[in-house]
Formats: sequence, C-alpha cells, structure tokens
Amino acid sequence: GEDVEQSLFLSVREGDSSVINCTYTDSSSTYLYWYKQEPGAGLQLLTYIFSNMDMKQDQRLTVLLNKKDKHLSLRIADTQTGDSAIYFCAESISDYKLSFGAGTTVTVRA
Amino acid sequence: SAVISQKPSRDICQRGTSLTIQCQVDSQVTMMFWYRQQPGQSLTLIATANQGSEATYESGFVIDKFPISRPNLTFSTLTVSNMSPEDSSIYLCSVATGGSDTEAFFGQGTRLTVV
Repeated sequence: GEDVEQSLFLSVREGDSSVINCTYTDSSSTYLYWYKQEPGAGLQLLTYIFSNMDMKQDQRLTVLLNKKDKHLSLRIADTQTGDSAIYFCAESISDYKLSFGAGTTVTVRA
Repeated sequence: SAVISQKPSRDICQRGTSLTIQCQVDSQVTMMFWYRQQPGQSLTLIATANQGSEATYESGFVIDKFPISRPNLTFSTLTVSNMSPEDSSIYLCSVATGGSDTEAFFGQGTRLTVV
C-alpha cells in the first residue's frame, strides 16, 4: 500500500531556511509533489520532481529526492511570513492519482 | 498549466439533502479526480472521473453516495447524496495534464458544512 509521512509542525524565523521532510513507501512512484495550502484556500502546486532526478531548484524552492531511502525534502530559502501555510507532500500511485501526507504546518515568526 | 473552477465554493446544507459540485477546466485534460479533505485531515481520493463511462471509486467510496459525471474532457460533477454531518469536508477537483511533463492541479475546493 501507499503511505506518505511528514512531520506535523515546523516553526521558523523569518529570513531563515525552512526544510520540510517527507518519506514515502511506493518505490514505483513516478512523480513526487509539494503543495501549499493557505487557510481557507485550495491546494497550490509548488513544485514536483520526477523520480529519476535527485534535485530540482525553482527560485527559493529546492527539492531533494533520495530514492534509495524514499525520502523527499522541500527547502524554502529566506522564509517569509507569506510562506506560513500547510505543506503537503504527495506521491503518484498510479495513473496520476496521488497519495498525500498529513501535511506540515509551517509557522513563520518574526 | 490548467485553470480549474469549482462551484459552489462553499455551502451549508441540511442533512438528508444532496449537493452537486461542478468542476470546469479551461483546457481538455486526460485525467480528472475528486478528493475529500475532512477537517484537519489530509486529502483522500474519492474516485477517478472517466469521460464517457462510469467513475472508478476508491475503497470506502461508492457510486450511490458519490455519483460522478464526466460528459466531456473539460467538465465533471460530484454529487454528495443523502448528506450527514460526517460529510462536512472540503471537496476538491483535480486534473492531470498527462504526457511527459505531468503536473497535477487542484481547484480551490468546495467547503461543505452539513447541519
């Protein structure tokens, strides 16, 4: 079966880097995704990585993938107050269906 | 990218009634899905909306409770039937663009409260 795990909470000071970690179990996952959900809003696709890559960078976001350990991380550089949200890790399980982690609530403090 | 519009964005419904949620995409997409996010929880896949045929439901979800339509490649509906307070959730439509560079996008969700 599929199981995606994330730590539930992260508190970070404004200007520091945030690192959100995720582990998954399905080694056949083709894509791994990071989504952001702000209060009362839907899911915003932040970035995704193909399983044959080990790193992807997009402006302040860096995704690292360790396929051997089935570990995925999202690093947000220079964290801002607008980055406060819930971040979901998700793996593709088949035919683009996604299995989600529980979400990490990131709180940015001044 | 795909732009997804969901209607309604929120609703408060009486128990025993049904609500139909619409999902409209601005381009033709291969795959459309419906997810549920219960309060304080993560997302759970309800079903895959198949164009021109019956939806494919995940374990724990049945057609009588969550009938789904997909008449074309840009539109789908999810009905939550005979609602109870336990159905209070955010319901989200998702699309995958397929091909070699796959992105999975979500609508803004429909926040349903059953009283």
